[in-house]
Amino acid sequence: GAVVSQHPSRVICKSGTSVKIECRSLDFQATTMFWYRQFPKQSLMLMATSNEGSKATYEQGVEKDKFLINHASLTLSTLTVTSAHPEDSSFYICSARDPAGGRETQYFGPGTRLLVL
Amino acid sequence: GENVGLHLPTLSVQEGDNSIINCAYSNSASDYFIWYKQESGKGPQFIIDIRSNMDKRQGQRVTVLLNKTVKHLSLQIAATQPGDSAVYFCAENIWSSASKIIFGSGTRLSIRP
Repeated sequence: GAVVSQHPSRVICKSGTSVKIECRSLDFQATTMFWYRQFPKQSLMLMATSNEGSKATYEQGVEKDKFLINHASLTLSTLTVTSAHPEDSSFYICSARDPAGGRETQYFGPGTRLLVL
Repeated sequence: GENVGLHLPTLSVQEGDNSIINCAYSNSASDYFIWYKQESGKGPQFIIDIRSNMDKRQGQRVTVLLNKTVKHLSLQIAATQPGDSAVYFCAENIWSSASKIIFGSGTRLSIRP
């Protein structure tokens, strides 16, 4: 099946710094990718929809200036957590839509664990 | 709807028994539903899906039931095995200006030997 990768798998950073997380579709081109956040023992919360070549669409309550999304190519979307604080510590998961599988088909990455000290 | 700030309920099942995990969804316009399995520290793994024009779909050892009248989904796992231990999430595909998958509440499945 289709594979989506994330890098890094885990990252620890100091408060106030910025962290970039990459999401790649390895064997298909994804015009649309999605970023989710998951706090411990909770469900996945959709943060934003990343559209190749255009601006991301953010869910209500998600600060677009804090969570910068860039989808510069058909196989790569990046999420940058700017000026990270301890409350941003979470599990960030991306998914990519495979056009060949229909509009609903999404493949999920393995997640990135962010810890902000 | 979106699950915010709720801790996951746990279902404990004897190995070999059948498991039934339930989920309620909120959007009557959702036309596609998915069950995911998530193991600790990993991303969600697709299990089975169902479209809104169906009320039942079977896979290998798993069955999904959809009741649109009460907006209820269930996942049945036959002959539960230790490897089935995980958190299970239902999700719905919401089509507004664009298609997106929204996760519902999760259930932790624990297997007793």
